[in-house]
Amino acid sequence: DIQMTQSPSSLSASVGDRVTITCRASQSISGYLNWYQQKPGKAPKLLIYAASSLQSGVPSRFSGSGSGTDFTLTISSLQPEDFATFYCQQSYRTPPTFGQGTKVEIK
Amino acid sequence: EVQLVESGGGLIQPGGSLRLSCAASGFTVSSNYMSWVRQAPGKGLEWVSVFYTGGSTYYADSVKGRFTISRDKSKNTLFLQMNSLRAEDTAVYYCARGTVTTASPFDYWGQGTLVTVSS
Repeated sequence: DIQMTQSPSSLSASVGDRVTITCRASQSISGYLNWYQQKPGKAPKLLIYAASSLQSGVPSRFSGSGSGTDFTLTISSLQPEDFATFYCQQSYRTPPTFGQGTKVEIK
Repeated sequence: EVQLVESGGGLIQPGGSLRLSCAASGFTVSSNYMSWVRQAPGKGLEWVSVFYTGGSTYYADSVKGRFTISRDKSKNTLFLQMNSLRAEDTAVYYCARGTVTTASPFDYWGQGTLVTVSS
């Protein structure tokens, strides 16, 4: 199975900060990388698909980049509603696998 | 509007069985691949199983031989039959719709149903 490793596992940031989360795959996955946001007690929500495509309805402060094994999710200006846990997921091979998550907390 | 509504979770003893349902509306389950994804308390997301549009199915190693995914086109519903349940199967189970977009993301998720395996 392809292993996905996110860093950091958690971070503290302030409203307005630029936040970057990285995701590394154990082998090349081309651009088959998706990002999700999950708030406590809620289902995950798709933010970015195919590494850099913004899902409809998602604010433009979210962006993704990368290919091969290294990917990033960037929030250009953190908003109060963005405090949540973020997961990357590869869809290059079955089984699809998720990163362990990055929890973004209020500083 | 696309909606997924799971049901069937609950408290079950180790070794028991449960059948989860995921009722879909706003789209046809047979036109999309559908997956079950679970999340143990306080943990991350773990993919469980997929039902592809062509009818093929796959399972995580942790559930292979114990869980069976199926769908009923007439009811537009996805199912997960879970047998020989273990304590480590305790989790919120989500059904998720996969798209045919590049990278096949899960674009819609249900609200989840909690399965607790405990004596």
